[in-house]
Amino acid sequence: DTGVSQDPRHKITKRGQNVTFRCDPISEHNRLYWYRQTLGQGPEFLTYFQNEAQLEKSRLLSDRFSAERPKGSFSTLEIQRTEQGDSAMYLCASSFDWRNGELFFGEGSRLTVL
Amino acid sequence: AQSVTQLDSQVPVFEEAPVELRCNYSSSVSVYLFWYVQYPNQGLQLLLKYLSGSTLVKGINGFEAEFNKSQTSFHLRKPSVHISDTAEYFCAVSDLNFGNEKLTFGTGTRLTIIP
Repeated sequence: DTGVSQDPRHKITKRGQNVTFRCDPISEHNRLYWYRQTLGQGPEFLTYFQNEAQLEKSRLLSDRFSAERPKGSFSTLEIQRTEQGDSAMYLCASSFDWRNGELFFGEGSRLTVL
Repeated sequence: AQSVTQLDSQVPVFEEAPVELRCNYSSSVSVYLFWYVQYPNQGLQLLLKYLSGSTLVKGINGFEAEFNKSQTSFHLRKPSVHISDTAEYFCAVSDLNFGNEKLTFGTGTRLTIIP
């Protein structure tokens, strides 16, 4: 399978703990995106990378959130000192050409903060 | 800033009947428009997109959408639905200058096909 893969698919943690999600994009895609989706809402943009450079971060991404994409391949999204409001589905997507309008999404990582 | 309104959160439709899922957007600049579909337990998948040119856009699985600039709408249609069309459908918009980056999504419409 050469699609976007995310790990873990589900994570349950206690408030105050740190969590990290990993995303492996489609190999030839140089752009990688993180979105967050809460219950009953559409996905909300968090941040994106071109290769290893993080080009933009949403205001939704507080200082407890950090994303990296070392060597321009896989990416990690870390949430420190988790809060119950962080409970959501974290979606990763990748694209080859930002102009052609197609993002390829992974199945998401669901976070539950108790 | 852009916003997207999907007027119907749930739409039940009998199999082989036509369906229209409504989407209206708000933007101060020119936009790209998209419909994404999320089948149960799967990731979001692009259904169709409007970038420029013909306002009637055809996508996968027999879906089409029409861009109406004056009404700021991008409604999704299918003349005859199948049970396999059961899914959640998201309309999305992006700034023309940013391509497919920073998509703004609507809240989604859950399409349920009744056998």
